[in-house]
Amino acid sequence: DGGITQSPKYLFRKEGQNVTLSCEQNLNHDAMYWYRQDPGQGLRLIYYSQIVNDFQKGDIAEGYSVSREKKESFPLTVTSAQKNPTAFYLCASSMTSGGRDTQYFGPGTRLTVL
Amino acid sequence: KQEVTQIPAALSVPEGENLVLNCSFTDSAIYNLQWFRQDPGKGLTSLLLIQSSQREQTSGRLNASLDKSSGRSTLYIAASQSGDSATYLCAVGDYTGGFKTIFGAGTRLFVKA
Repeated sequence: DGGITQSPKYLFRKEGQNVTLSCEQNLNHDAMYWYRQDPGQGLRLIYYSQIVNDFQKGDIAEGYSVSREKKESFPLTVTSAQKNPTAFYLCASSMTSGGRDTQYFGPGTRLTVL
Repeated sequence: KQEVTQIPAALSVPEGENLVLNCSFTDSAIYNLQWFRQDPGKGLTSLLLIQSSQREQTSGRLNASLDKSSGRSTLYIAASQSGDSATYLCAVGDYTGGFKTIFGAGTRLFVKA
């Protein structure tokens, strides 16, 4: 089955820790995205990548980092510099960049800071 | 700066009723508009994608319309079912500052059996 997988489904982090969220796709899509979703708000773009070894900051990149070493993978690291990391994190991909095509979403990772 | 608004935030209807969800956006210079469905604790599923040159798209019981000049889109759901209960999000493809997708906060729909 083609699709996007995210792991883990739930993640708990202590104050001061860095954590990495996994996102893998087998759709052969060039573009990948990370969004953050908070209750009552729309999705906000953290980072996006249009091609391997290239990525750009979104609207709320502070305290996050990404890498795109393989076409299939786009991991997100939430660093200790992110002041309010508790949220639902969604990864997406699309055939081309910039949202001109339908974006396909993974099931999400819920991160809670203890 | 593009803003996408969805009103109401929540809606409750009896099963079998036809209903309309609303989406408005502030800048008409969009290249597409998408409607997504999100079940609790899950990712988003694309329902319909309307390109800027189109006026509407249909899929089964769903019909989405787009009026760029007024900055509005509607999602019409015919003969609602309890399985339609979910949050519906509207998102516009925006040219400002490079191609980007801007999401509304969603309308949470409850269909009562």
